[in-house]
Amino acid sequence: ELKVEQNPLFLSMQEGKNYTIYCNYSTTSDRLYWYRQDPGKSLESLFVLLSNGAVKQEGRLMASLDTKARLSTLHITAAVHDLSATYFCAVAPGIVDKIIFGKGTRLHILP
Amino acid sequence: DTAVSQTPKYLVTQMGNDKSIKCEQNLGHDTMYWYKQDSKKFLKIMFSYNNKELIINETVPNRFSPKSPDKAHLNLHINSLELGDSAVYFCASSQEIWREGGSYNEQFFGPGTRLTVL
Repeated sequence: ELKVEQNPLFLSMQEGKNYTIYCNYSTTSDRLYWYRQDPGKSLESLFVLLSNGAVKQEGRLMASLDTKARLSTLHITAAVHDLSATYFCAVAPGIVDKIIFGKGTRLHILP
Repeated sequence: DTAVSQTPKYLVTQMGNDKSIKCEQNLGHDTMYWYKQDSKKFLKIMFSYNNKELIINETVPNRFSPKSPDKAHLNLHINSLELGDSAVYFCASSQEIWREGGSYNEQFFGPGTRLTVL
């Protein structure tokens, strides 16, 4: 059974700092998703990564995928308070319509 | 225009009652899902329908019964509600997209229904 592990689960950081969230998964997959969830809100799709070495960037967030290491990273550059949210990675195990979510990383950025 | 909508947004009810949550998507997607997010924010898939056909049915008590009258709607009916059913339930939809090297399904989520069982 596919397992998706995120690290860290909680992160409190100062504005202006850089940090990385890690997402490891247990079986082969080349489809990985990152979502953002604000408190009390729905999930918003951030990135879809489809191949080994894929890198996508949007503003201060950059996501990458290493399928050989079964690892994706979400890098935050010069964090700002507005990025405070819970970030989920999700992996497709091979059944196209099904994705398995990690437990989420609660990111709190201090002004 | 709301892409994936759910009603109600909040639902407070007594143990033992039966309740339904409705979901509609106007994205023209073929696949719809129900997820449960517990108090620790863990998100777990419950069901998935593709063109009104059940394709994913995770280990969920049979008190939960999804119904898809058409591919734009997926409702969730829960019988004999229990305290442990309290959670936020999210509906989502997706469409298979083919790219060079394979396909993927990016899921779009509804606003959620917060169910509280007393």
